[in-house]
Amino acid sequence: DTGVSQDPRHKITKRGQNVTFRCDPISEHNRLYWYRQTLGQGPEFLTYFQNEAQLEKSRLLSDRFSAERPKGSFSTLEIQRTEQGDSAMYLCASSLGARTEAFFGQGTRLTVV
Amino acid sequence: KQEVTQIPAALSVPEGENLVLNCSFTDSAIYNLQWFRQDPGKGLTSLLLIQSSQREQTSGRLNASLDKSSGRSTLYIAASQPGDSATYLCAVYILTGGGNKLTFGTGTQLKVEL
Repeated sequence: DTGVSQDPRHKITKRGQNVTFRCDPISEHNRLYWYRQTLGQGPEFLTYFQNEAQLEKSRLLSDRFSAERPKGSFSTLEIQRTEQGDSAMYLCASSLGARTEAFFGQGTRLTVV
Repeated sequence: KQEVTQIPAALSVPEGENLVLNCSFTDSAIYNLQWFRQDPGKGLTSLLLIQSSQREQTSGRLNASLDKSSGRSTLYIAASQPGDSATYLCAVYILTGGGNKLTFGTGTQLKVEL
């Protein structure tokens, strides 16, 4: 098991384009989280899944953002019509159950130009 | 709303020094607290998880304590090394909508100098 994997590691896109990120959690983990981190700040919660069900979305997640976890394994986060304010590190984490340790991936660094 | 504060925001120490990083949170209704390390441009590496029923956890040169009643946690690093240079983040687990989520502080940027 290689831990939580995120792809791509870096993405540069032009404003207005759509981007999609992928997260592969630790294989037996049923919970998957997405966070966003801007420079000098701690990560902020975006959304989380238990298996394939999306159980909560932050108000930070505007209608341009959508996340899926179709088979309860990997997850994708799509941003439509990107804006410069979307530039950030997008982090994925997974855990086994609600009360256990969360493990994070290396993140996807998005730059919108 | 849960708020997590970390003091100091930055710290520079000579190699070999013992140091303490502080984390405070406003709502004591947490059930876990976790300390992470983040290297520049990288993801988060879990250091220690303290469950709400525990007072402290130790791993190697690291010791983390938790006092829920006062809303505080500390991370003690013994005999610091240049390789310890990184940003240290604390995060509390809060219950939400039948699940949980982490609320993070803004971190302490540590530099250990030769």
